[in-house]
Amino acid sequence: EPEVTQTPSHQVTQMGQEVILRCVPISNHLYFYWYRQILGQKVEFLVSFYNNEISEKSEIFDDQFSVERPDGSNFTLKIRSTKLEDSAMYFCASAWDRSSEETQYFGPGTRLLVL
Amino acid sequence: AQSVSQHNHHVILSEAASLELGCNYSYGGTVNLFWYVQYPGQHLQLLLKYFSGDPLVKGIKGFEAEFIKSKFSFNLRKPSVQWSDTAEYFCAVSRGGSQGNLIFGKGTKLSVKP
Repeated sequence: EPEVTQTPSHQVTQMGQEVILRCVPISNHLYFYWYRQILGQKVEFLVSFYNNEISEKSEIFDDQFSVERPDGSNFTLKIRSTKLEDSAMYFCASAWDRSSEETQYFGPGTRLLVL
Repeated sequence: AQSVSQHNHHVILSEAASLELGCNYSYGGTVNLFWYVQYPGQHLQLLLKYFSGDPLVKGIKGFEAEFIKSKFSFNLRKPSVQWSDTAEYFCAVSRGGSQGNLIFGKGTKLSVKP
């Protein structure tokens, strides 16, 4: 069964550094999402992406964050200058359609630790 | 603002016990409801979802959930749990007509003792 993959599984970085988290969505999916889960808290929506543009973003997704689909397979989340509070598990998800009924398929996550 | 509440942080059961995990949401409009499960070391995967029709939905692995609109609830049930059901369970909601952005509850950790 096709799966969403994410790399790296773990990343440790210094505060102020840039990080890029990578995701490979399921190949025929058209809609892509990033979520994050700070330890002990809820999984929170960050951004959705379709047709090479952001469809919707939450208030967490400020100017420090950006997303890109640099080629036909990868979907990346960049954090420009990491802060301690960016430490979290970051999940990528993809879906065939953007309908609110549509199932989103999640990747295994990247655990980011900012020191 | 829309929110999802899961009342139990950690549930411990013996094998063959019945399970019910609570989920309530706050939103007055049309919603779509999901239960996701995360087994240890694995990614979130869909157990079941409701978007219309019969409010009692059946999912994988013998799970079911009932949407009760008047109570804003979507509780997850299984009549007889197994050790392999040990996992974290997340309730999630998307607003009808939205672009599918999910709002999650905090999750309930289920531990099943063999």
